[in-house]
Amino acid sequence: DAGVIQSPRHEVTEMGQEVTLRCKPISGHNSLFWYRQTMMRGLELLIYFNNNVPIDDSGMPEDRFSAKMPNASFSTLKIQPSEPRDSAVYFCASSLKDGEAFFGQGTRLTVV
Amino acid sequence: EDKVVQSPLSLVVHEGDTVTLNCSYEVTNFRSLLWYKQEKKAPTFLFMLTSSGIEKKPGRLSSILDKKELFSILNITATQTGDSAVYLCAHGGATNKLIFGTGTLLAVQP
Repeated sequence: DAGVIQSPRHEVTEMGQEVTLRCKPISGHNSLFWYRQTMMRGLELLIYFNNNVPIDDSGMPEDRFSAKMPNASFSTLKIQPSEPRDSAVYFCASSLKDGEAFFGQGTRLTVV
Repeated sequence: EDKVVQSPLSLVVHEGDTVTLNCSYEVTNFRSLLWYKQEKKAPTFLFMLTSSGIEKKPGRLSSILDKKELFSILNITATQTGDSAVYLCAHGGATNKLIFGTGTLLAVQP
């Protein structure tokens, strides 16, 4: 298995633009997580899905952030409009129920 | 609110030293306690503990979980420069929610 695949690896965008981050979880995993990592706040859970259903989105910072999981093999995290304070590394992870989470390589987002 | 607190925030040791990293948690529905190592990129899995006791890997790493006192320890013996990383502790909840602490930055000097 190729592991969790995220794209793009790097994204530089201007303030106000829409940003879409993509994730392909490990086949067969039924939980998917989106995290944001910064030096100041560490690894923050934004939202997670079980069996494609959003379970807890209390970590989504504001309405500019949205996430979808249309099927078991794909998820997106969208920021619209983006702001400089959204600059961070965004990780996607997947797991089996009661199992450890496996992380993708992350998307480094820079909003200028 | 579920919470995971790690200490120390950072640690500098010399090769050959033994280190102990701490993790305490407050949770409503405990399922598991996990440790990850993060070097330059994505966190990689080390341990998952679900019951009180000690878990060891072949080599120099071991972890202890105390469910009564709500803490876990990660031990690294005979440290090497390759152990330099951020070590993350996470709590896994009943609905599979995974919450991380802010991590301990370990620097092992030659």
